[in-house]
Amino acid sequence: QVQLEQSGAEVMKPGASVKVSCKASGYTFTRYYIHWVRQAPGQGLEWMGIINPNGGTTTYAQKFQGRVTMTRDKSTTTVYLELNSLRSEDTAIYYCAKTINTGYYFEHWGQGTLVAVSS
Amino acid sequence: DIVMTQSPATLSVSPGEKATLSCRASESISSKLAWYQQKPGQPPRLLIYDASTRATGIPDRFSGGGSGTEFTLTINSLQSEDFAIYSCQQSHNWPLTFGAGTKVEIK
Repeated sequence: QVQLEQSGAEVMKPGASVKVSCKASGYTFTRYYIHWVRQAPGQGLEWMGIINPNGGTTTYAQKFQGRVTMTRDKSTTTVYLELNSLRSEDTAIYYCAKTINTGYYFEHWGQGTLVAVSS
Repeated sequence: DIVMTQSPATLSVSPGEKATLSCRASESISSKLAWYQQKPGQPPRLLIYDASTRATGIPDRFSGGGSGTEFTLTINSLQSEDFAIYSCQQSHNWPLTFGAGTKVEIK
């Protein structure tokens, strides 16, 4: 079965960088794009961007351009989200998600990684 | 960006009753809409995509409708496990965007 296993919670200082991992299993890693979506406390979901695990190409939401980097390691079937210049507003649960076969809808999700930014 | 507006913010419903949730897009998104259910401490669960297609394993008491800018999610005969937050998401344009959610609570 499809599984997306994310790394553990992080507590970061403002201005720092964080890197979250998402290990995929149960399907052909290079065939399906992975997205990153975040959710601030008590707030709605916010799409951050997408990575093609095959070629490594990415598309980021404009809001995060210049601060976010998504990468992948095909040998370990893992994708990574790095977010720089952290501020308190970046405190959120970060999810990786895999879409269904036929559209950009999220059928499989990681368990989420809490990133807390606090001085 | 396409703005997704959900209403109401909170819906109080008795078990066994029907709930109707609304989602409006700021511009036409054809039928490129999904609904998710989310419970505390869990990631979202895909219920409906392409406005009206149930995802794998979703009970038929959940149904979706609408197209263009107006969409609904109907939950017939609410069960105890259905009390949760429901969010809509458009996939018509980048960036993908979500509504703020409707909380369905026990009346």
